[in-house]
Amino acid sequence: GAVVSQHPSRVICKSGTSVKIECRSLDFQATTMFWYRQFPKKSLMLMATSNEGSKATYEQGVEKDKFLINHASLTLSTLTVTSAHPEDSSFYICSAKSHPHTDTQYFGPGTRLTVL
Amino acid sequence: QKEVEQDPGPLSVPEGAIVSLNCTYSNSAFQYFMWYRQYSRKGPELLMYTYSSGNKEDGRFTAQVDKSSKYISLFIRDSQPSDSATYLCAMGPRAMDSNYQLIWGAGTKLIIKP
Repeated sequence: GAVVSQHPSRVICKSGTSVKIECRSLDFQATTMFWYRQFPKKSLMLMATSNEGSKATYEQGVEKDKFLINHASLTLSTLTVTSAHPEDSSFYICSAKSHPHTDTQYFGPGTRLTVL
Repeated sequence: QKEVEQDPGPLSVPEGAIVSLNCTYSNSAFQYFMWYRQYSRKGPELLMYTYSSGNKEDGRFTAQVDKSSKYISLFIRDSQPSDSATYLCAMGPRAMDSNYQLIWGAGTKLIIKP
């Protein structure tokens, strides 16, 4: 149980385009989803927390207009990187919890974004 | 000082050895401690979690928490080449606490040599 999927697993795009990454909880309802960014050989950096049906809470320094998060259902959250630039190239990982008061997060396999 | 300190390694040990991975923390409000394993270019996989001081065992893995010393460990017995990965500790207050935020260690890269 507690499987989280991400799509696509890898994406290459041109500078200036927008990219959407999907995160799905496959066998449980995720009331809370998190989006992380990970640079090579570095730990996870939390970008934002989203609760189903409400606006995402962004961490300090993360541009909400650049990284659009939508958590429209209990099994799906999307991250859209708008007007992507080479510095946005990174490994993006989502995680999900089945309840706001549950401590354990289950992670997706990640999406490798390369902006040319 | 970071809230969570974890040696990034790499830590290289021969197959079959007992591996000890550690994290220290400074916030006494942390109540929930987790260990994740991350293979290259993959998402983190939850290995173990615990709330209390003491040991928790699951197969070849043992998680140990010492709240008085603010020190947590993950032991891997009979290590295998397939255990080669980056191990991340994560901790924080309980999710029901208003100040909930999960804090991550930098991750320790472990290499098990055949």
